[in-house]
Amino acid sequence: QVQLVESGGGVVQPGRSLRLSCAASGFTFSTYGMNWVRRAPGKGLEWVALIWYDGTNKYYADSVEGRFTSSRDNSKKTLYLQMNSLRAEDTAIYYCARSTTGGSSYFDSWGQGTLVTVSS
Amino acid sequence: SYVLTQPPSVSVAPGKAARITCAENNIGSKSVHWYQQKPGQAPVLVIYYDTDRPSGIPERFSGSNSGNTATLTISRVEAGDEADYYCQVWDSSSDHWVFGGGTKLTVL
Repeated sequence: QVQLVESGGGVVQPGRSLRLSCAASGFTFSTYGMNWVRRAPGKGLEWVALIWYDGTNKYYADSVEGRFTSSRDNSKKTLYLQMNSLRAEDTAIYYCARSTTGGSSYFDSWGQGTLVTVSS
Repeated sequence: SYVLTQPPSVSVAPGKAARITCAENNIGSKSVHWYQQKPGQAPVLVIYYDTDRPSGIPERFSGSNSGNTATLTISRVEAGDEADYYCQVWDSSSDHWVFGGGTKLTVL
């Protein structure tokens, strides 16, 4: 069955960088768009980024544009989120989620999330 | 840009119906999707394209979308339905996904 497993979270100082990974299995990864969504403590869900099935199109929330970069390695069935210039407000659980098509469609599968804490 | 407005909380007695709204100007022209998130768990899709229900989601969950309001209705609410619920739309003018602020459903 579809499985998404995030990793790479941890505690990082403000201004530093962190890279998250999302390992996919149970489906043909290279044909699906993939997303990053986060939930900060006491807040709701916030969409972070979308990358098309082939990596040609990428979209970002205004709050992370220019600081975060989403990429994917279809040969490794892995999605990445490179997070630079981290801020305290980036503290959240980060989820990867699968779109139901190669581009922008609703999310039918989610990982369990990885916690990122930005603190000095 | 799109701002989806949900009530922060909804309370309902077991066996009654819960209605969670998601408001934005002319949301009826958009496709709305709904997610359920229980504490410590990943979100789960419960309604897609306004009214469709994924396999495995009970028939008690239904959706509608018209005018300026989309609604998730949970009939015969059970204790296990306690969760946060989020609506979602694709804003094609900005190429962004937008989530509503979320509604905490409490079963009395």
